[in-house]
Amino acid sequence: EIVLTQSPGTLSLSPGERATLTCRASQSVSNNYLAWYQKKPGQTARLLIYGASSRATGIPDRFSGSGSGTDFTLTISRLEPEDFAVFYCQQYGSSTPITFGQGTRLEIK
Amino acid sequence: EVQLVESGGGLVKPGGSLRLSCAASEFTFSAYGMTWVRQAPGKGLEWVSSISSSSTYIYYADSVKGRLTISRDNAKNSLFLQMNSLRGEDTALYYCARIPVSGQWYFDLWGRGTLVTVSS
Repeated sequence: EIVLTQSPGTLSLSPGERATLTCRASQSVSNNYLAWYQKKPGQTARLLIYGASSRATGIPDRFSGSGSGTDFTLTISRLEPEDFAVFYCQQYGSSTPITFGQGTRLEIK
Repeated sequence: EVQLVESGGGLVKPGGSLRLSCAASEFTFSAYGMTWVRQAPGKGLEWVSSISSSSTYIYYADSVKGRLTISRDNAKNSLFLQMNSLRGEDTALYYCARIPVSGQWYFDLWGRGTLVTVSS
């Protein structure tokens, strides 16, 4: 099983600032099959990035994904008030099980 | 509106059973693989089970294998999760989600979830 470790656990930033979230895998993720999701309380989860760097449909270009192998990054270039939420990475490169990171909480400073 | 709506959650005693449903709207349900993901209180997301578009391929997390059964009815645009021999650690919010690309198990559409509480 591939274990994903996200850091930091909590990130406190202000609107307009740049956010950098990381996801480290315990072993290489095949084909860089890594996705990022945003989750707000009471709302459905939102796919942001798949394939490590491809933006999902309708996702603003301030969201970008990068990385390969075992180290991946989600960057939000300039935070908007609606961006504050919990973010999860997920790997789907290995055969089952699919695994998620434990999440990074992005909060308003 | 393209959406997934889960139902069927509730309070059940340890050892009991429950059947979750997920109703799909406004997309060709039969063309997509589907999955169940859960989130225990205060915890992160955990993949539970996935099923291919025609039910040919079915996979389970080790933690639920033999107790939970995924199925679908494409004629009724519905996904199901039969939950038997429930344990306290099955307490969670259960989400259904859509797999947009066959063979690539990321999820592009999620429901809001249905809560399952296992307690005596």
